[in-house]
Amino acid sequence: DAKTTQPNSMESNEEEPVHLPCNHSTISGTDYIHWYRQLPSQGPEYVIHGLTSNVNNRMASLAIAEDRKSSTLILHRATLRDAAVYYCILTRAAGNKLTFGGGTRVLVKP
Amino acid sequence: DAGVTQSPTHLIKTRGQQVTLRCSPKSGHDTVSWYQQALGQGPQFIFQYYEEEERQRGNFPDRFSGHQFPNYSSELNVNALLLGDSALYLCASSLRDRVRNEQFFGPGTRLTVL
Repeated sequence: DAKTTQPNSMESNEEEPVHLPCNHSTISGTDYIHWYRQLPSQGPEYVIHGLTSNVNNRMASLAIAEDRKSSTLILHRATLRDAAVYYCILTRAAGNKLTFGGGTRVLVKP
Repeated sequence: DAGVTQSPTHLIKTRGQQVTLRCSPKSGHDTVSWYQQALGQGPQFIFQYYEEEERQRGNFPDRFSGHQFPNYSSELNVNALLLGDSALYLCASSLRDRVRNEQFFGPGTRLTVL
């Protein structure tokens, strides 16, 4: 499985945007880029995914570099409820095993 | 829709014992995956079941086994428990969809091995 690299932690102020980077230099052409987050004492939850084009949904935006070797998850206005560990994961189209790394712990300050 | 449910919530066992954890997938889902999450780490994939068969397996010993029933629910069995098996066990359900690949996770079962 192709690996991803994320910063261990990031801090943000409430109602400000948060940009979470992810490097995946060994990504293959069929790998989808997924983001999940895990709030304290809960199981992970799906945030967003993409293949080549930037994606937006009600939770976040995903910006994918043109060469697909990196991506950025954007939380447009962080709230205290967004404090969680965010995982960037690559998955093959044919199967849906998730390989979690260490993720980025996001702290949102009021 | 109740989402993914797991039972029990917490469990305490002693070394050498056997344990069975249960998972009911989200309505309409046909695939169940199990993950182990040690404290402070990301979840690690154990195995995945689809059509009552194990389809993928992670790097776990055969002390870890599973089953999927015709109603898509699943069990995870761990034999000969070790102290290192103490962890949060997460179940995730999904559809065999090549595009979305979105998994829905349950709240987990916290297993403590003494």
